Amino acid sequence: EADIYQTPRYLVIGTGKKITLECSQTMGHDKMYWYQQDPGMELHLIHYSYGVNSTEKGDLSSESTVSRIRTEHFPLTLESARPSHTSQYLCASSGTSGGPEAFFGQGTRLTVV
Amino acid sequence: AQSVTQPDIHITVSEGASLELRCNYSYGATPYLFWYVQSPGQGLQLLLKYFSGDTLVQGIKGFEAEFKRSQSSFNLRKPSVHWSDAAEYFCAVGAQQAGTALIFGKGTTLSVSS
Repeated sequence: EADIYQTPRYLVIGTGKKITLECSQTMGHDKMYWYQQDPGMELHLIHYSYGVNSTEKGDLSSESTVSRIRTEHFPLTLESARPSHTSQYLCASSGTSGGPEAFFGQGTRLTVV
Repeated sequence: AQSVTQPDIHITVSEGASLELRCNYSYGATPYLFWYVQSPGQGLQLLLKYFSGDTLVQGIKGFEAEFKRSQSSFNLRKPSVHWSDAAEYFCAVGAQQAGTALIFGKGTTLSVSS
């Protein structure tokens, strides 16, 4: 079944640690996105990719980085986690047809202590 | 500037009562409009979408939405709310070009009372 997967679902980690949030999709979509979501707030786009070896920063400044080496995989990395990075991170993808409709993963709830 | 406004932060509706969630947008191009639902700890699930044609669109779980260009609105409705509808609802707008990132509103939290 075509889907989009995020791991881990929940992560509690100490300040200064390096972390990678994984996102994979089996729909063959070219476009992939990372959104950051805080409680009671809208989703903020932090990174996007329109294809392999293409990555761009989104509207919200983020200290994270992303890579797109394979079409199906779009990991997000924080080199040194801080408490201010505590948030929910949502990965999404969209195809070349059907307009900008986005399909979302389950999200990763990150807590930095 | 492109934006989505959901005026109601939190709405409480009795089970079985009707529901309307408001959404207004500001967008330079012809918009693609979406409603997503998010249950606690989950990702976003698409409820319905409007691209063109009939301005009243039907979605999953008995939801519908009406596009009103003159009012720049895309309100979500359901005739009879069920307790399982309690969730966060997000309105989003995007461009016609496939793959452009969606712009989301801040969301409306729906509580259902018995």
